[in-house]
Amino acid sequence: ETGVTQTPRHLVMGMTNKKSLKCEQHLGHNAMYWYKQSAKKPLELMFVYSLEERVENNSVPSRFSPECPNSSHLFLHLHTLQPEDSALYLCASSQDFFGEQYFGPGTRLTVT
Amino acid sequence: SQQGEEDPQALSIQEGENATMNCSYKTSINNLQWYRQNSGRGLVHLILIRSNEREKHSGRLRVTLDTSKKSSSLLITASRAADTASYFCATEPGGGNKLTFGTGTQLKVEL
Repeated sequence: ETGVTQTPRHLVMGMTNKKSLKCEQHLGHNAMYWYKQSAKKPLELMFVYSLEERVENNSVPSRFSPECPNSSHLFLHLHTLQPEDSALYLCASSQDFFGEQYFGPGTRLTVT
Repeated sequence: SQQGEEDPQALSIQEGENATMNCSYKTSINNLQWYRQNSGRGLVHLILIRSNEREKHSGRLRVTLDTSKKSSSLLITASRAADTASYFCATEPGGGNKLTFGTGTQLKVEL
């Protein structure tokens, strides 16, 4: 148990659906991250929030929309996804910007 | 291009043996981190080594950093079946503001 929880753990959605991934950290950290992990590819950083303010957006398509309402919660809103968006989506938090990161268990997303 | 690359891509050893994984990177760094990931789960932080450090220990783990060669190694001594996982290095470049992961080494420890 790392202190970072993610829901749901598994999600299957059609290309026309809208869904949201939720992440919560109980560590009092200042920074939160969304990563995408696809088979045979390095972990891809998608979004970074520091003190609830977005500081990094690595050219992620607009069909992914993050939201950070407070320092403990992070959402990833999904709409009109493509099959190639199927992957493991990982949330992480850290006390220091890009310091030691604590990861949640991930959401396994399948787009049909 | 990706910053950290692990070598080998896969490693299979017997329980009790030592496992060594290497990571090479391209640009100057502030720190280098090693993470472990069990199948389909989140990553677990193992060790962070700063650019001015050469070696660090944590239990059965030993990490070395050679900034002149832009490389790091992770040694797991007296491996156990529970060490079976993927191991990733991640680098924070000198300019900061990013943490880049490699594709990982898949370690299998057999009984």
